[in-house]
Amino acid sequence: QKEVEQNSGPLSVPEGAIASLNCTYSDRGSQSFFWYRQYSGKSPELIMSIYSNGDKEDGRFTAQLNKASQYVSLLIRDSQPSDSATYLCAVNDDKIIFGKGTRLHILP
Amino acid sequence: DTGVSQNPRHKITKRGQNVTFRCDPISEHNRLYWYRQTLGQGPEFLTYFQNEAQLEKSRLLSDRFSAERPKGSFSTLEIQRTEQGDSAMYLCASSTSMRGDTQYFGPGTRLTVL
Repeated sequence: QKEVEQNSGPLSVPEGAIASLNCTYSDRGSQSFFWYRQYSGKSPELIMSIYSNGDKEDGRFTAQLNKASQYVSLLIRDSQPSDSATYLCAVNDDKIIFGKGTRLHILP
Repeated sequence: DTGVSQNPRHKITKRGQNVTFRCDPISEHNRLYWYRQTLGQGPEFLTYFQNEAQLEKSRLLSDRFSAERPKGSFSTLEIQRTEQGDSAMYLCASSTSMRGDTQYFGPGTRLTVL
């Protein structure tokens, strides 16, 4: 059974600081990794995808992948109150296996 | 609007009734997925189609659940004899058939079984 593990939080971060979200996955053969943001009562929205070891940056977001450690992370720079949401780590090998999500709360 | 759409957005039903949900994927996507999400959990895979063929079904999908995609475009998910435990958000997503391609989600259908 493939699994994706995340700390459920809540993670509280002051506005303007860096938020760091982490995730581990069980299947060493996984190739595609995603971070989705989900606001309460809404559906998941894709933030980042990453397929290769290393960092991938998109605006204030940086995804990091370490396949040897089976570890994926998401950094959010200059955190804003609008970033307060649940962040879902996901592995896609046809169907998506989601973690339970980390609740992020940005403190104004 | 070229995104994934789902109808209805909300459904309240009494235990024992049948319900049907519809999903319209992004037009150029040939894969369509159904997920279910309960409070405090990530979405859980139910089933997926490539064109009209149903390629995989989760063990979560009991025999009360059936999904179809008759012409390879929209899909329906039917739940027969609903139970209170079926109350959840039902999410549809679509993608191309490239392995590991991004899945884009619709707004979901929230089902409440009384």
